[in-house]
Amino acid sequence: DVKVTQSSRYLVKRTGEKVFLECVQDMDHENMFWYRQDPGLGLRLIYFSYDVKMKEKGDIPEGYSVSREKKERFSLILESASTNQTSMYLCASSFLEYNEQFFGPGTRLTVL
Amino acid sequence: DAKTTQPPSMDCAEGRAANLPCNHSTISGNEYVYWYRQIHSQGPQYIIHGLKNNETNEMASLIITEDRKSSTLILPHATLRDTAVYYCIVRGSSGNTGKLIFGQGTTLQVKP
Repeated sequence: DVKVTQSSRYLVKRTGEKVFLECVQDMDHENMFWYRQDPGLGLRLIYFSYDVKMKEKGDIPEGYSVSREKKERFSLILESASTNQTSMYLCASSFLEYNEQFFGPGTRLTVL
Repeated sequence: DAKTTQPPSMDCAEGRAANLPCNHSTISGNEYVYWYRQIHSQGPQYIIHGLKNNETNEMASLIITEDRKSSTLILPHATLRDTAVYYCIVRGSSGNTGKLIFGQGTTLQVKP
């Protein structure tokens, strides 16, 4: 079974803190994605990566950065957390860019 | 990617088949139909996809009409754990950076 894991299910941080969200997949997938999901706004792509050290901006990259040093690991970094980044963060991976994506359980981040 | 239309909600009795419809009248020849579901507060889960032939896996069956303008996802013996929002997506193999775009989906309530 494909397994995508995320470092935390729930996280509470303060405004201005640097936040790291980690995602690990065990299927040797080339592509990894970070989305956020908010009520009424659906799923929005923040960043994706199609190879180690490669990244592309999605629709809402502002306030975020990513790191992919190893194929199985894709990290999302909130440089200085703000309250409008309170959201559910979802990591996904796929073998090819347009194949089915497999999601992690999500991290519900609250920024106070 | 072509737009899809799904009913906002459906009920199904436990143990019965759940048939979830999706209209995608503007689908083009190289676009696939994908189904995902999202159980409350969890990450989305890939279910099945198809191009023109009917498909079956351990979770569900996908029936695509001959003109490909609509499809039906069938959960053969629904259980309470199948209560979720089901998303029908039409995707090609280029454009949109591989990101998933979920519509409103169908909320399936499986009742005892």
